[in-house]
Amino acid sequence: AQKVTQTQTSISVMEKTTVTMDCVYETRDSSYFLFWYKQTASGEIVFLIRQDSYKKENATEGHYSLNFQKPKSSIGLIITATQIEDSAVYFCAMRELITGNTGKLIFGLGTTLQVQP
Amino acid sequence: GGIITQTPKFLIGQEGQKLTLKCQQNFNHDTMYWYRQDSGKGLRLIYYSITENDLQKGDLSEGYDASREKKSSFSLTVTSAQKNEMAVFLCASSPSGTGGSQNTLYFGAGTRLSVL
Repeated sequence: AQKVTQTQTSISVMEKTTVTMDCVYETRDSSYFLFWYKQTASGEIVFLIRQDSYKKENATEGHYSLNFQKPKSSIGLIITATQIEDSAVYFCAMRELITGNTGKLIFGLGTTLQVQP
Repeated sequence: GGIITQTPKFLIGQEGQKLTLKCQQNFNHDTMYWYRQDSGKGLRLIYYSITENDLQKGDLSEGYDASREKKSSFSLTVTSAQKNEMAVFLCASSPSGTGGSQNTLYFGAGTRLSVL
């Protein structure tokens, strides 16, 4: 079965610094998709960034970027120039094919990020 | 852009009660999902639907029913609420297809359930 593991339960950083959140995954698929989501204090879950496994370039989106290390089955999220508003729970997820072309997401347990002023 | 609307935002029920949660999306997405989020356990898939009138069980379907009468709406029913149960139920949708964008899920704000 596919699995997503986030080993960091919580991280605290100072504002304007760079933070990396770790995620490792297990899959037997040759082609797969990896995602990072953010859950705010209100409970809203927001899609941040995606990495397609067949792409060698690390995905970037604003001040989010990924460190994709395929041989290590690792997909770290990097947030540069952190802001107070980045304080949230961050979930790593991987698509698991269900049927046909439809997939479901398998989520890690999340990493709580606190950005201090 | 689009939005996913879940109602109600808060739901308080009694033990043994049947409770229904509703979800509407205007993305025109084919696939819709219901996830349950418990503290410390991440998100787990309850039911999903590939198209109108389609229903598929997820990993946590026991104790739940679902209904997809229209492409834009997906309802979840807790068949018998358990005493002291507390969880957040999240509805999501995604377009169909094989590409990465077609596998990206977009979430509603959630329904918070408490059972007395």
